[in-house]
Amino acid sequence: ELKVEQNPLFLSMQEGKNYTIYCNYSTTSDRLYWYRQDPGKSLESLFVLLSNGAVKQEGRLMASLDTKARLSTLHITAAVHDLSATYFCAVDKPTGNQFYFGTGTSLTVIP
Amino acid sequence: DAGVTQSPTHLIKTRGQHVTLRCSPISGHKSVSWYQQVLGQGPQFIFQYYEKEERGRGNFPDRFSARQFPNYSSELNVNALLLGDSALYLCASTLLATEAFFGQGTRLTVV
Repeated sequence: ELKVEQNPLFLSMQEGKNYTIYCNYSTTSDRLYWYRQDPGKSLESLFVLLSNGAVKQEGRLMASLDTKARLSTLHITAAVHDLSATYFCAVDKPTGNQFYFGTGTSLTVIP
Repeated sequence: DAGVTQSPTHLIKTRGQHVTLRCSPISGHKSVSWYQQVLGQGPQFIFQYYEKEERGRGNFPDRFSARQFPNYSSELNVNALLLGDSALYLCASTLLATEAFFGQGTRLTVV
């Protein structure tokens, strides 16, 4: 069974600080996705990583993928309160379009 | 362009009843998948349909079923509802092996 694990599960950080969320997965996959979810809301796509070594950046967030280590990271630079949300990574099964999500990281940025 | 639309938004049902949830994908997207998100957890894959055929099924009991129509919209049916079926049900549409775009979800409460 495909397993996706994230750590930490909960993250409280001060504004202006940097931190990294880690996502490990148990099966070979070249496709990894990061999503954001605000309380009571649906999932918003942040990044699509489609190959080994892929790196994407948007604002204060940067995501990378190492398919050999089965590891993706989401790096937060100089956090601001607006980044407070739950972040999920997801792996797509090789057959396509069947997403397996991590446990989620609940991020709280403290002013 | 309209995004993924789901109906209803909220639903309250009694144990033992049946429920039907509906999803309309983004125009041009032929793949629809369904997810269950219990409070505090990541979404769990239930079904994927592509071109009206089931392409994948997650680890859910036979009380859960789905279908996709010629216009690519989809229904998720759950029979004999249990309290544990209370969750946010998310529908996602995808264009081949790309990111999934999620609807706003249907929040089902079983009492």
